[in-house]
Amino acid sequence: SQQGEEDPQALSIQEGENATMNCSYKTSINNLQWYRQNSGRGLVHLILIRSNEREKHSGRLRVTLDTSKKSSSLLITASRAADTASYFCATVENQGGKLIFGQGTELSVKP
Amino acid sequence: DAGVIQSPRHEVTEMGQEVTLRCKPISGHNSLFWYRQTMMRGLELLIYFNNNVPIDDSGMPEDRFSAKMPNASFSTLKIQPSEPRDSAVYFCASSPFSDSPLHFGNGTRLTVT
Repeated sequence: SQQGEEDPQALSIQEGENATMNCSYKTSINNLQWYRQNSGRGLVHLILIRSNEREKHSGRLRVTLDTSKKSSSLLITASRAADTASYFCATVENQGGKLIFGQGTELSVKP
Repeated sequence: DAGVIQSPRHEVTEMGQEVTLRCKPISGHNSLFWYRQTMMRGLELLIYFNNNVPIDDSGMPEDRFSAKMPNASFSTLKIQPSEPRDSAVYFCASSPFSDSPLHFGNGTRLTVT
């Protein structure tokens, strides 16, 4: 079953622009994670934000979490062509350790 | 660290045949997950193990699917008999603890004709 829903499904931007992806989820969570997937490869973990955190940074990545709205956003600043990939949010529910993924946002960064 | 290793990388089989997918998690990781990815359904969690014990298999589609983890360094996902609708990319992932970030293998692309 899918927990998160991502918005938009696809995003196309120019190199140097910022990319924002949103994720909504349904149940109470322990933490929320963002992953990246290049074509034909497995997913790679980017950043984890816990339910008691509101914002987190890692390099050009900024993640926010609003537990009252059950939503999160991932901002990639100063995008590069190499950022072209699919991005997924995933949640760990309070009750258990299983990680449930959203449908993903396909990001295309044009040089 | 070699990462999570899955084999085979590609598998093409005929409907009705048995298929076995293999996974070697990262040494020291206590949790192992099997996911299936398709365009239609996205990433679906099939089953996950903690300390070699299956914790949640509610995502396993039907009795044709079975998964085992005989020891901390090896897991299998078996489909018997396979059907065309099982065609997908199957990912194995491991993590140190049950709610920590996952490390994914590169997947097995299964095609059932």
